[in-house]
Amino acid sequence: DTGVSQNPRHKITKRGQNVTFRCDPISEHNRLYWYRQTLGQGPEFLTYFQNEAQLEKSRLLSDRFSAERPKGSFSTLEIQRTEQGDSAMYLCASSILSGASTDTQYFGPGTRLTVL
Amino acid sequence: AQKITQTQPGMFVQEKEAVTLDCTYDTSDQSYGLFWYKQPSSGEMIFLIYQGSYDEQNATEGRYSLNFQKARKSANLVISASQLGDSAMYFCAMRDPGNFNKFYFGSGTKLNVKP
Repeated sequence: DTGVSQNPRHKITKRGQNVTFRCDPISEHNRLYWYRQTLGQGPEFLTYFQNEAQLEKSRLLSDRFSAERPKGSFSTLEIQRTEQGDSAMYLCASSILSGASTDTQYFGPGTRLTVL
Repeated sequence: AQKITQTQPGMFVQEKEAVTLDCTYDTSDQSYGLFWYKQPSSGEMIFLIYQGSYDEQNATEGRYSLNFQKARKSANLVISASQLGDSAMYFCAMRDPGNFNKFYFGSGTKLNVKP
């Protein structure tokens, strides 16, 4: 399978705990994105990387959130001191910068986080 | 700010019939890209079709076509010959014209195909 993969698929945690999610993009893709999707809504942009550089962060990404892409391949998203409002689906997407306007983002299956 | 509006929270269609899912967008830019994604219950967002603002013809991909009306700022998805496997959430999205890395998504339409 050469698509975007995410682990774990589901995570249940207690409020105040830290959680970390992993995303493995399509291998030749140099751009990686994180989105958050709450029930009944479309995905909301959180942050993106070009290779290992984090080039943009949304205001949705509070200080409790941190994302890394240390070698320009896989990425991790960590949430510290989780709150019930963090419960959502966290989606990862990747794309390749070809310069074409048709460049699209390819999404992984998501990690569903439930904070009790 | 860019904005995508999908006014149909849920739609029903009979198997083998065609269905249109509405999408309107708001931008002051002349160059932009519009996308439709399908999200089955498994959660993965599946890319369906793309329309560029300067494309002269409506995009088509198999059973999917896009009814693009630039003056009305609408980009409706048409699914022909609906199949049971088409039951899913459908999201319209626009690439931020000023930032190719940002997509703005609508709130989605849940399509149910009835046998």
